[in-house]
Amino acid sequence: EIVLTQSPATLSVSPGERATLSCRASQSVSSNLAWYQQKPGQAPRLFIYATSTRATGVPARFSGSGSGTEFTLTISSLQSEDFAVYYCQQYNNWSTFGQGTKVEIK
Amino acid sequence: QVQLQESGPGLLKPSQTLSLTCTVSGGSISSGDYYWSWLRQPPGKGPEWIGDIYDSGTTYYHPSLRSRVAMSVDTSRNQFSLTLSSVTATDTAVYFCAAQPFDILTAGPAGRFDSWGQGTLVTISS
Repeated sequence: EIVLTQSPATLSVSPGERATLSCRASQSVSSNLAWYQQKPGQAPRLFIYATSTRATGVPARFSGSGSGTEFTLTISSLQSEDFAVYYCQQYNNWSTFGQGTKVEIK
Repeated sequence: QVQLQESGPGLLKPSQTLSLTCTVSGGSISSGDYYWSWLRQPPGKGPEWIGDIYDSGTTYYHPSLRSRVAMSVDTSRNQFSLTLSSVTATDTAVYFCAAQPFDILTAGPAGRFDSWGQGTLVTISS
């Protein structure tokens, strides 16, 4: 099973600042990586797939990059609605998720 | 996008069988456009994929759960279902149903979960 390790576990950022979230895979997942946003009491929402493709309705301030085993989700200028938990998911070999990065208000 | 809604009992005793149903609206479960999936999320942890089913009956299950899991589709009711046998406390989680686009190139699930139900908490306790 491919293990995804997300860092940091918690990221404290001020509104308007840039946030960079990392996801490392235990073996190559090619470009088969997605990012989800989850708010309390809600289901995860797909934000990015195929490493860098934004899902429908996702603002342009969200961008994804990487390949192989190292991936990054960048939020260029945090808005109030962006504070949430973000999960990465690989779908190169079955499907596994990371443990999440909580983006909180600094 | 389709909408999904889970239903089923919220409390089970160890060794019982968990049974959940997902009702699909806004589209036909037999359209061929989606693979239908179940995932779960233990409290405070990331989601875990359980399995996928296509309207043809083709299934894919998580290797560690394969011996206890079964999924089925009821096209007349636009529903799909999950059963998980011999549950223990470690099966306590919020269970989600979700939809994955059908990948024309591979004839399999695309891998990403486009639409999710709201989730239902299932607690296993004696």
